[in-house]
Amino acid sequence: GAVVSQHPSWVICKSGTSVKIECRSLDFQATTMFWYRQFPKQSLMLMATSNEGSKATYEQGVEKDKFLINHASLTLSTLTVTSAHPEDSSFYICSARDPLGVDNSPLHFGNGTRLTVT
Amino acid sequence: GENVEQHPSTLSVQEGDSAVIKCTYSDSASNYFPWYKQELGKRPQLIIDIRSNVGEKKDQRIAVTLNKTAKHFSLHITETQPEDSAVYFCAASKWIRSYQLTFGKGTKLSVIP
Repeated sequence: GAVVSQHPSWVICKSGTSVKIECRSLDFQATTMFWYRQFPKQSLMLMATSNEGSKATYEQGVEKDKFLINHASLTLSTLTVTSAHPEDSSFYICSARDPLGVDNSPLHFGNGTRLTVT
Repeated sequence: GENVEQHPSTLSVQEGDSAVIKCTYSDSASNYFPWYKQELGKRPQLIIDIRSNVGEKKDQRIAVTLNKTAKHFSLHITETQPEDSAVYFCAASKWIRSYQLTFGKGTKLSVIP
């Protein structure tokens, strides 16, 4: 089945540094990818929609200059958390839309990245 | 935008009993409604989904019903097992092609052996 690889699975960084998270679709071309953030014991909140070759669309309240999204190819989207602070500590999950998965599993989630900012 | 309400937030059932989780949505244009199971620290796992042209869908012990008029949909798990214990999320998508999901707040299901 379709697989989405997300890397790294966990990262610890110091406050003020930047962290890049990669999301790859391994056996399909994902024209659209989504980035979610999930705080402990809470739901998944959509941060942005990433479209290949164009600028990402950010949800209200999400700082586009802080959460840089690049979708340079049909199989890779990256999320860079710039100047990270402890309040950015969270579980970040990407999902990719499989355009051929119309009837079954049109969306595939990555395994998530646990970011801890110290 | 879309708003999805999910109830209950926690649910405890005895092994073998049934569990029901309910969700309502606000946008009548939503037409795709998946349910996800998430274990601690792991990605959401699709367990069943339903589209607006169908009223009910079943897959072994899991079923989902959709009432478009009332804008609510429900997850039914029968003959629950301890391994069903997890957090379950419902979601709604307005455009079937984009699959941009709005999630409910989740239900923590505990199945007591």
